Amino acid sequence: ETGVTQSPTHLIKTRGQQVTLRCSSQSGHNTVSWYQQALGQGPQFIFQYYREEENGRGNFPPRFSGLQFPNYSSELNVNALELDDSALYLCASSLGEIGTDTQYFGPGTRLTVL
Amino acid sequence: DAKTTQPPSMDCAEGRAANLPCNHSTISGNEYVYWYRQIHSQGPQYIIHGLKNNETNEMASLIITEDRKSSTLILPHATLRDTAVYYCIVRANNDYKLSFGAGTTVTVRA
Repeated sequence: ETGVTQSPTHLIKTRGQQVTLRCSSQSGHNTVSWYQQALGQGPQFIFQYYREEENGRGNFPPRFSGLQFPNYSSELNVNALELDDSALYLCASSLGEIGTDTQYFGPGTRLTVL
Repeated sequence: DAKTTQPPSMDCAEGRAANLPCNHSTISGNEYVYWYRQIHSQGPQYIIHGLKNNETNEMASLIITEDRKSSTLILPHATLRDTAVYYCIVRANNDYKLSFGAGTTVTVRA
């Protein structure tokens, strides 16, 4: 186990709604990265938070947003849900933000948009 | 764009060593090779990473060729629980993200 937890485990929403997913990082880690994994594909990077600031962003629209809290836990918010947002959402925590800092993943949140 | 090439699938016999190849012919001097695996519907699990020297831990060994253009992940004694998708990822030391490709689906058979 990595010590990274995510909630909820599963979620069903309808198109147009908004959703918030949560992630608690491993003890001592100050960086959280979020990934989206569509069925049958590898995870795709959404964004990263380092010390409560967005540190980098992948090719995702602004309706994907996030927060990181002083305890380094994080939220991913998705507004105006679309059917294609159905995916496994993964968060990963690391000691720092750079490439020498190994990312450890949580179990993911399965989001279904109807 | 993926910087690595992996076979889409491979089978291994339980109890035998599994050798998973990865090609990264355009790797730069500041890029590490990372390996993760993902068992069905779970989060990716970190296995090992290296820069240019061979590395070993309790899970696997990573062999990187001298020119660093390819590497092999070795699972010394494959078990049925090693059945998973294995991702080989090249990541620069100043890069904040992991870029996953399609990976190799490894099936360990009894």
